[in-house]
Amino acid sequence: AQKVTQAQTEISVVEKEDVTLDCVYETRDTTYYLFWYKQPPSGELVFLIRRNSFDEQNEISGRYSWNFQKSTSSFNFTITASQVVDSAVYFCALSEAGYSTLTFGKGTMLLVSP
Amino acid sequence: GAGVSQSPSNKVTEKGKDVELRCDPISGHTALYWYRQSLGQGLEFLIYFQGNSAPDKSGLPSDRFSAERTGGSVSTLTIQRTQQEDSAVYLCASSLDRGQATGELFFGEGSRLTVL
Repeated sequence: AQKVTQAQTEISVVEKEDVTLDCVYETRDTTYYLFWYKQPPSGELVFLIRRNSFDEQNEISGRYSWNFQKSTSSFNFTITASQVVDSAVYFCALSEAGYSTLTFGKGTMLLVSP
Repeated sequence: GAGVSQSPSNKVTEKGKDVELRCDPISGHTALYWYRQSLGQGLEFLIYFQGNSAPDKSGLPSDRFSAERTGGSVSTLTIQRTQQEDSAVYLCASSLDRGQATGELFFGEGSRLTVL
């Protein structure tokens, strides 16, 4: 069975601080996909990134970076120099090859104060 | 519209009543998902439609829940004899393909259901 754990329920930082959101997953498949979604106060989830299990290369996109480590079954998300607009709930998700659904973690609420 | 449209945005109903929630996916998207988001519980998968294939109903929590998708486009999620534990935000998402291959689901803003 697949499972995604986001142990941090809520994180508060001050603008310009760096922040890392943790994600730990469980799967018995060797082929799987990992994702991060952002849910701003408007409620509409927005896709941020997808990673497949064969690509452990870390990725950077502007102030966002992702660290995928199969050895620890983790897919952590770091925001550098956080901004107030980054305030949202962030979800990590997993899908296994051959399955049509994403399993989401419970989300981490990030609050960035000015 | 350009995005996934859901209606109503808010629904308050009395326990025991039936409710219908509507989802209008992005034009051309063949895959459609319903998820439920309860406070502190993350997103719970309910049902998945892909083209003309039989839907994956494995996430529906009880037989009071059903969904259909007409003409491969608009979908309706029906909850019969609502219970207070059904109170949640019901999110609809669509994607161009099976979804799990890319994972880029496009979500609507959700329908917030409150059962009194």
